[in-house]
Amino acid sequence: ETGVTQTPRHLVMGMTNKKSLKCEQHLGHNAMYWYKQSAKKPLELMFVYSLEERVENNSVPSRFSPECPNSSHLFLHLHTLQPEDSALYLCASSQGTGPRGNTGELFFGEGSRLTVL
Amino acid sequence: LAKTTQPISMDSYEGQEVNITCSHNNIATNDYITWYQQFPSQGPRFIIQGYKTKVTNEVASLFIPADRKSSTLSLPRVSLSDTAVYYCLVGNAGGTSYGKLTFGQGTILTVHP
Repeated sequence: ETGVTQTPRHLVMGMTNKKSLKCEQHLGHNAMYWYKQSAKKPLELMFVYSLEERVENNSVPSRFSPECPNSSHLFLHLHTLQPEDSALYLCASSQGTGPRGNTGELFFGEGSRLTVL
Repeated sequence: LAKTTQPISMDSYEGQEVNITCSHNNIATNDYITWYQQFPSQGPRFIIQGYKTKVTNEVASLFIPADRKSSTLSLPRVSLSDTAVYYCLVGNAGGTSYGKLTFGQGTILTVHP
């Protein structure tokens, strides 16, 4: 148990569906992240929120839409996805502000395995 | 952005000590070095973090030379359950530099009986 919970753990959707991934952290952190991990590829940073404001968006297609209503919750809204978007989507959190910033100590959830048909 | 280079894979046997080295030639002054372990279909898990010299915790040691251009993760007496992918992450996301927290390819460690 890392203190970061992701739901659902598995999701199968068609290309015309709309679904959402949810992440919740119970660690009191103020930064949250979405990473994508495709088969045999390194983790790709998608979005970063710090104090509920998006601070990083790594050229992610608009069919992925993040939402951070508060510092404990993070969503990834999915619509009109493509089969190549099938991957493990990982949420992470960290204590991301202050004079030392974020030193790279990230706490990850178990991930949501997404399959797009 | 401090790019990291690690061996793609390593093999070991139960009970042996394993050392995985990561190169990060353009590490910045305020960057920290963090190692993660990842099992299939799970999120990476924090192992150890350091800035310089040596750090040790209950599961691993981290050796960082004075020039900080590389680091070595040492796993004492590995077991089969240590078979996983190990990532070296170098960065400090102070301010808005969160994009620096990117992962490399990682090292696939396979421990044999």
